[in-house]
Amino acid sequence: DQQVKQNSPSLSVQEGRISILNCDYTNSMFDYFLWYKKYPAEGPTFLISISSIKDKNEDGRFTVFLNKSAKHLSLHIVPSQPGDSAVYFCAANRGGQNFVFGPGTRLSVLP
Amino acid sequence: DAGVIQSPRHEVTEMGQEVTLRCKPISGHDYLFWYRQTMMRGLELLIYFNNNVPIDDSGMPEDRFSAKMPNASFSTLKIQPSEPRDSAVYFCASSPGVAGVGETQYFGPGTRLLVL
Repeated sequence: DQQVKQNSPSLSVQEGRISILNCDYTNSMFDYFLWYKKYPAEGPTFLISISSIKDKNEDGRFTVFLNKSAKHLSLHIVPSQPGDSAVYFCAANRGGQNFVFGPGTRLSVLP
Repeated sequence: DAGVIQSPRHEVTEMGQEVTLRCKPISGHDYLFWYRQTMMRGLELLIYFNNNVPIDDSGMPEDRFSAKMPNASFSTLKIQPSEPRDSAVYFCASSPGVAGVGETQYFGPGTRLLVL
């Protein structure tokens, strides 16, 4: 029973366009969400987070949107660059340190 | 700081053998996590420690898996006996002291385990 779902295993986007990665969760107690990025042969690295008291958080080209009623969050990357090609993990928790990760979405940004 | 250090980076072993994965967290971090990544299940939390004490081991798949943290700078994840279905990438991560919203985890490069 996956509490955090990323239903698109992969996504391809043209360089310069917007990338939208989606994440759904089932546990309404989750109140903190993160996105991690992972390159091959490396560990995941933190990208951006959002608390449940917000519906949007922006950091440069990266914006995360949270829709609590739909239990849905999304990561927007604008404009997409070839260096953004990686696996993106959505993660959630309800306080503390126990994060639940989604299965990941592989983003390919085509030049 | 060198970041989270894991060894070995790659391990190939035969079914039934004991496997020991090692992790050195970032100095000063009070939390240490072991994760497993597979194609089917993605990234799963196996166990985490706070100040060297195991807090939540509900993700450990079965008794063949055990984890220890004898001191603040070292942890091991042991599989005995190993099985082919244990083949995965195992990540160690550490996190700074105060729990709560805003904390992030710093991951090591992972150990790729193949059990034949």
